[in-house]
Amino acid sequence: DGGITQSPKYLFRKEGQNVTLSCEQNLNHDAMYWYRQDPGQGLRLIYYSQIVNDFQKGDIAEGYSVSREKKESFPLTVTSAQKNPTAFYLCASRRQNSNQPQHFGDGTRLSIL
Amino acid sequence: GQQVMQIPQYQHVQEGEDFTTYCNSSTTLSNIQWYKQRPGGHPVFLIQLVKSGEVKKQKRLTFQFGEAKKNSSLHITATQTTDVGTYFCASPGGGYSTLTFGKGTMLLVSP
Repeated sequence: DGGITQSPKYLFRKEGQNVTLSCEQNLNHDAMYWYRQDPGQGLRLIYYSQIVNDFQKGDIAEGYSVSREKKESFPLTVTSAQKNPTAFYLCASRRQNSNQPQHFGDGTRLSIL
Repeated sequence: GQQVMQIPQYQHVQEGEDFTTYCNSSTTLSNIQWYKQRPGGHPVFLIQLVKSGEVKKQKRLTFQFGEAKKNSSLHITATQTTDVGTYFCASPGGGYSTLTFGKGTMLLVSP
C-alpha cells in the first residue's frame, strides 16, 4: 500500500547474525504491526505497537525484537536466537480504532545463507 | 486470541466458474475483514462486515456475515484470471488491538 515502505525487499542472513528489517509509514497511523508469513501458515503476529515507546509481543515473539522511537518507524530485528528465520515478513499499520483495516507494506523476504 | 478457521486451503477452478471460501469461528466475532494477497504481493483490504446477516457486494464478489456472527463467506461469481491470489479473513483479537488471520484460501484460475 502507498505510505508504508519496507526495506530491503530481499535480505540474506548468515548463521549467528542479527539483521534489522525497516518499516516506515507516512500515514500518521498510531498502530504498527509485524507479521511473519510462511507457506500455508497465513499471517502470524510477531510484535505490535499502539503508541510511541510502547510495544507488545504477539504470538511468535521469541527470537525477535522491536523498537518504536518514532511514530513513523517500527524496525524489526531478527536475532540469532531465531533458529528458523527464513520467511516473508510483512509490516502493517492502521489508525487506532477497532474498525479500521490494516495497511501493509510490500514485505521483506529473509533467507539464510 | 480468537481462532478463525478458513476452508478450503486451496482451490483450482476454470475461468468462468464460481468460487467460495468460508471462515468459521467457535466464538462470536465483533466484525470480520477480508483481504486479498496476489502472488508475490502483500495483503490488501477488501471489505469489513459488522452486522449480523450482513451481505455486501463488490462487482463479482459477494461477502456474507452469518446471523450468529460466527462465520463468513466470500463468493466470486464467474472467476477471472485476475482473481488469482490468496484470500484471508481476519477478526479482531482481544482488546481489538490486533487481528487474527485465517490461514487463507489460495485460488488458482486457469484460462
